[in-house]
Amino acid sequence: EDKVVQSPLSLVVHEGDTVTLNCSYEVTNFRSLLWYKQEKKAPTFLFMLTSSGIEKKSGRLSSILDKKELFSILNITATQTGDSAVYLCVPDNYGQNFVFGPGTRLSVLP
Amino acid sequence: DVKVTQSSRYLVKRTGEKVFLECVQDMDHENMFWYRQDPGLGLRLIYFSYDVKMKEKGDIPEGYSVSREKKERFSLILESASTNQTSMYLCASGRTVVGNQPQHFGDGTRLSIL
Repeated sequence: EDKVVQSPLSLVVHEGDTVTLNCSYEVTNFRSLLWYKQEKKAPTFLFMLTSSGIEKKSGRLSSILDKKELFSILNITATQTGDSAVYLCVPDNYGQNFVFGPGTRLSVLP
Repeated sequence: DVKVTQSSRYLVKRTGEKVFLECVQDMDHENMFWYRQDPGLGLRLIYFSYDVKMKEKGDIPEGYSVSREKKERFSLILESASTNQTSMYLCASGRTVVGNQPQHFGDGTRLSIL
């Protein structure tokens, strides 16, 4: 059975801290891994990772995939209150079924 | 800009009613999806469609049906609503099921079944 585990499930930090969010997965026919950020409404796309060891960066956010160990991490440096959200990890297995992780709820305090 | 529109942000219905949730996308995407999101369970796929009049079951299709008569519109139907279908429902669309393009989500419909 396909599954996705994210840790921690909840995290509270202060502005300026650096955080690392973890995602491990077990899916058949794995193709890529996607990260989404969900604030009050719909998830918005952050990264798509298809190759191991290649870091993707967007501003203060970065992410990397390890296809051998079946995990990915999402790093956020110098966190801001606007980073407060639920971060969702989604392995893509050629669209057979889309298994979302439970999410990590990040709260950044001023 | 990418736009996925769900017809209602909040909806309250009674047990046994037939409920329609509508979703429209303006990006000419082939694929559309319906999810529900519940605390502690994340997003779970109910149904998806990769073409007009085509549909595939997701992880939790029981109690739901879908309709895709036009490319831009994907409807989720609760045939006889039950209280355990109270949830946040999210519609998404995407360029391809194979996954090269991320899905774009609507704002969600918070459905309460009394």
